[in-house]
Amino acid sequence: KAGVTQTPRYLIKTRGQQVTLSCSPISGHRSVSWYQQTPGQGLQFLFEYFSETQRNKGNFPGRFSGRQFSNSRSEMNVSTLELGDSALYLCASSTFAGGGNEQFFGPGTRLTVL
Amino acid sequence: DQQVKQNSPSLSVQEGRISILNCDYTNSMFDYFLWYKKYPAEGPTFLISISSIKDKNEDGRFTVFLNKSAKHLSLHIVPSQPGDSAVYFCAAIEANSKLTFGKGITLSVRP
Repeated sequence: KAGVTQTPRYLIKTRGQQVTLSCSPISGHRSVSWYQQTPGQGLQFLFEYFSETQRNKGNFPGRFSGRQFSNSRSEMNVSTLELGDSALYLCASSTFAGGGNEQFFGPGTRLTVL
Repeated sequence: DQQVKQNSPSLSVQEGRISILNCDYTNSMFDYFLWYKKYPAEGPTFLISISSIKDKNEDGRFTVFLNKSAKHLSLHIVPSQPGDSAVYFCAAIEANSKLTFGKGITLSVRP
């Protein structure tokens, strides 16, 4: 069974631009969660989607948004990029909603904002 | 406010010895706890979990202990192996909601 895939793996943007990251979950998984990892803050929850509906949201500004498609693939978008948005963005999929279900993580997208 | 705290950023142990990774939490409503391991350039992988109704869960070389009164959990790895060298994240959940992670601890196992 193929694992969680994220594209692109690396991305360089400049301040003020916007970016879209993509996540394809494991086949059959309907829940996709997104996390931001930075050296100072560790892993921070962004949002979770289940069956195309946002089920939960972390404490991030409205510049961070996401969506999920009918095939469970998910995208997250960050508008008006800031230097502090430089991070590793991880997505994780699971069969059911909620963090209590084992989540399988992708390798992440490394975003650098210049 | 960091609800899950891993206060030591790193730990170095000798191969064959015990590794003890600690984690403290502040939210008494957390009812499920997990440990994830992360290698460079890879996403975290699930290692072991424990429900708040238990105080110990064991899986091979890995054992997690939970002390609810102290709001403390620990991961024991016995015996430690060089392949265990990675970043370990403690995470907690309230009512099957989102995962709240600690900042992680880097474990180095010396041959």
